[in-house]
Amino acid sequence: EAAVTQSPRNKVAVTGGKVTLSCNQTNNHNNMYWYRQDTGHGLRLIHYSYGAGSTEKGDIPDGYKASRPSQENFSLILELATPSQTSVYFCASGRQGDAETLYFGSGTRLTVL
Amino acid sequence: GEQVEQRPPHLSVREGDSAIIICTYTDSATAYFSWYKQEAGAGLQLLMSVLSNVDRKEEQGLTVLLNKKDKRLSLNLTAAHPGDSAVYFCAVSVWEGGRALIFGTGTTVSVSP
Repeated sequence: EAAVTQSPRNKVAVTGGKVTLSCNQTNNHNNMYWYRQDTGHGLRLIHYSYGAGSTEKGDIPDGYKASRPSQENFSLILELATPSQTSVYFCASGRQGDAETLYFGSGTRLTVL
Repeated sequence: GEQVEQRPPHLSVREGDSAIIICTYTDSATAYFSWYKQEAGAGLQLLMSVLSNVDRKEEQGLTVLLNKKDKRLSLNLTAAHPGDSAVYFCAVSVWEGGRALIFGTGTTVSVSP
């Protein structure tokens, strides 16, 4: 019954390779977000979306692209992965106008060698 | 932009003791304040949220205090138990047309029997 599902759970990629992280939500929320979590930094916002077809840059968008083809799906794309992008990535969804409540997926652990 | 600092980074307490986590923020226009809990290997889950017109909120052994003058938000886990062991994040938001939460750096709480 998980409302926000991320795939894959773990990913190992090579430097320069393309990586796509996927997120699906069944909450029917307009807003979706991609964060990365690193020790000492907490969660930092990469990209977000208001709805299908929209993507917005967050605080650390460099090296990442996002795609929101539908209400349910939001992808994070690393066209040329680098070791500095090794991290745990979280997707979240939220209702339009409800700023303080986000619903998170379980995370994707990405290692770039 | 908004800056959020959270302390301490680590907190070890005995069962039955209190654990207090503090966050400070910089933007006086901040309107929403939340606390999230992250258990091992999982995403974040909302514990409690308050709006800027609330100074104190208590729910199920948790107390959130908001001091707007000092721009300080705190979470008090009263009578902690081992199930409270997790990473806790504060999160704040100045709702700017859909911008997401800004998270603190997290506090790892360990509760020993």
